Amino acid sequence: SQQGEEDPQALSIQEGENATMNCSYKTSINNLQWYRQNSGRGLVHLILIRSNEREKHSGRLRVTLDTSKKSSSLLITASRAADTASYFCATDAGTSGSRLTFGEGTQLTVNP
Amino acid sequence: DAGITQSPRHKVTETGTPVTLRCHQTENHRYMYWYRQDPGHGLRLIHYSYGVKDTDKGEVSDGYSVSRSKTEDFLLTLESATSSQTSVYFCAISELQGAATEAFFGQGTRLTVV
Repeated sequence: SQQGEEDPQALSIQEGENATMNCSYKTSINNLQWYRQNSGRGLVHLILIRSNEREKHSGRLRVTLDTSKKSSSLLITASRAADTASYFCATDAGTSGSRLTFGEGTQLTVNP
Repeated sequence: DAGITQSPRHKVTETGTPVTLRCHQTENHRYMYWYRQDPGHGLRLIHYSYGVKDTDKGEVSDGYSVSRSKTEDFLLTLESATSSQTSVYFCAISELQGAATEAFFGQGTRLTVV
């Protein structure tokens, strides 16, 4: 069963705009991670937020986590055409390694 | 990129034949994973390993087996391939760092069962 569910499934914006993607999950987690996947490539880790954190920043990325609502959001500010990709949230509920449970992803298209 | 190599990168096989996919890492990470990616399902965990000869099932393990005889290699075997196993397969590795750890992914193997 899918733990994370992303919303929206697809998002199309203009370069320079901000992009917000949301993720909801079902069970308690240790941490939540966001990954990016360019077409035909493997996933690349973007950012990790622990269950005791509420907000985290990395460059143009801002992630929030609300454990009471079991939800997270990923904000990409000042988007660029190169940000076009699929974005996945993944939850880690275990204590051994990272047995991640992925959502179905949000396809982001940034138009030049 | 983390040192993860998947082979082959593409394979077409016939229904009923055995298939083995290989994942090789040069990072000496303890944990290795096999995921499959299908439209509408995201990535789903097939099997994972937490050390040499230590493996366990993921959420979609039926029809698959794995082996890890060396730290650097994790093999995924489809004993008798079926059309439902047509998918893109990703290997991932991770190393526990404190209480949280990220995963590094290979480039994927596109498997088509005809």
